[in-house]
Amino acid sequence: GAGVSQSPSNKVTEKGKDVELRCDPISGHTALYWYRQSLGQGLEFLIYFQGNSAPDKSGLPSDRFSAERTGGSVSTLTIQRTQQEDSAVYLCASRHNGPSSSYEQYFGPGTRLTVT
Amino acid sequence: GNSVTQMEGPVTLSEEAFLTINCTYTATGYPSLFWYVQYPGEGLQLLLKATKADDKGSNKGFEATYRKETTSFHLEKGSVQVSDSAVYFCALSRSDKLIFGTGTRLQVFP
Repeated sequence: GAGVSQSPSNKVTEKGKDVELRCDPISGHTALYWYRQSLGQGLEFLIYFQGNSAPDKSGLPSDRFSAERTGGSVSTLTIQRTQQEDSAVYLCASRHNGPSSSYEQYFGPGTRLTVT
Repeated sequence: GNSVTQMEGPVTLSEEAFLTINCTYTATGYPSLFWYVQYPGEGLQLLLKATKADDKGSNKGFEATYRKETTSFHLEKGSVQVSDSAVYFCALSRSDKLIFGTGTRLQVFP
């Protein structure tokens, strides 16, 4: 079946602008994750959704970052007033939450964000 | 806390050489362990996994064994190919999220 999809694949924005990144998880996956991959910091967890609620937002780096998920499916990560240090690849992943789940997550191709 | 330590790269090998990429972890309890691979220009792909002590994960000729006594999950392949050139990430699952190592770049030359 279809994997995790993300859009846009690339986004270039000016410092101070807001951006929205979209993730469409694998159908039927109730858990959804956002990570950030940057040269200096490696792969960092940002936020986790179970259904439409976010029990763990501990990785969001500042209050300029927010995310929501609607209908237990698509999620949007919003970065307000972007800064140059926000430049990174933003990865989305989803996971099935059944009894046979071994916590493996399936990743999308990522959105490369460049703040100029 | 929970963490993953991987050997630094790049690892440079000739085709058909034996590969080992070391990974050790620190965690409370017994997490699931994973190796993910990222080919140039692509996203992360799950390579293999192990969910309990002494489990061996395997895929595409790669293997890793969950060693509780040494808290390790080293990745091995008997004969690498040029197409294996990629970045390899070791990860553990804790509190419903993945904690990754810093990644090890593998370069295989013909």
